[in-house]
Amino acid sequence: EAGVAQSPRYKIIEKRQSVAFWCNPISGHATLYWYQQILGQGPKLLIQFQNNGVVDDSQLPKDRFSAERLKGVDSTLKIQPAKLEDSAVYLCASSPDRGRSPLHFGNGTRLTVT
Amino acid sequence: AQKVTQAQTEISVVEKEDVTLDCVYETRDTTYYLFWYKQPPSGELVFLIRRNSFDEQNEISGRYSWNFQKSTSSFNFTITASQVVDSAVYFCAPVYGGSQGNLIFGKGTKLSVKP
Repeated sequence: EAGVAQSPRYKIIEKRQSVAFWCNPISGHATLYWYQQILGQGPKLLIQFQNNGVVDDSQLPKDRFSAERLKGVDSTLKIQPAKLEDSAVYLCASSPDRGRSPLHFGNGTRLTVT
Repeated sequence: AQKVTQAQTEISVVEKEDVTLDCVYETRDTTYYLFWYKQPPSGELVFLIRRNSFDEQNEISGRYSWNFQKSTSSFNFTITASQVVDSAVYFCAPVYGGSQGNLIFGKGTKLSVKP
C-alpha cells in the first residue's frame, strides 16, 4: 500500500510571497487532514475534508490560507501572502473514516519564510 | 476546553531501561479514542497504539504497554527494554467529538535513548 505523498519536501520563500503544497492520500481514504507543526510543538489541525467537502476549518487562517480537495482525492494547501510565523512543517494525513482509525501521515513539507 | 497535557518535555534513558511517558487529557465527552504517535528524527508521524474510552483493559504489545485510567483521565505509555531506535518525540493524541475525528495533539515528549 502506497503511503501519503506530499510535495515539495522543502520550500523557502520570502514573506508576502505565495506558496502551495500538494498531498495525495492513500487510495480509498475518504478523510484528509492538513496539520501545521511549528518547531517544538505538536501538530495543529488546519482543515479536515470528508471526500471533497470541508468538515472542519475552524483553525484555518482564512485571510491567507486556503485549501481544496477536488474530486475527493488530491488536495492542495495554499498560503498567500506568507508571514514569518508560517514557518513550519505542513503535514498531510488521511484516514478511511473519521475518529476511529489511525491517521496515516505523509513526510511533510518544511516551509521557511524569510 | 478539551486539551491534552504531556508534562514531560524531555526524557533521557540508557538502553535497556524501561520508560513511561505520561499523558493527561481533559474532556466532557463520554466516548472518545486515545492514540499515541511517534515522530522519529526523519519527521514522519507513526501510529503506535489506540484505546477506546469504554475499554479500560490495559494491554501489552511487544515492548509497548499502556495504562489507561478513565477515572484520572490518564493514558500513559511504557516502553520496556528501550533501544536506541526508540529515540523520538512521542505524542499523545485524544480524538474528541464522536464522529468528528479530530486529533488533539499534546506538545510531545522527546525521548533520548543512549547506548
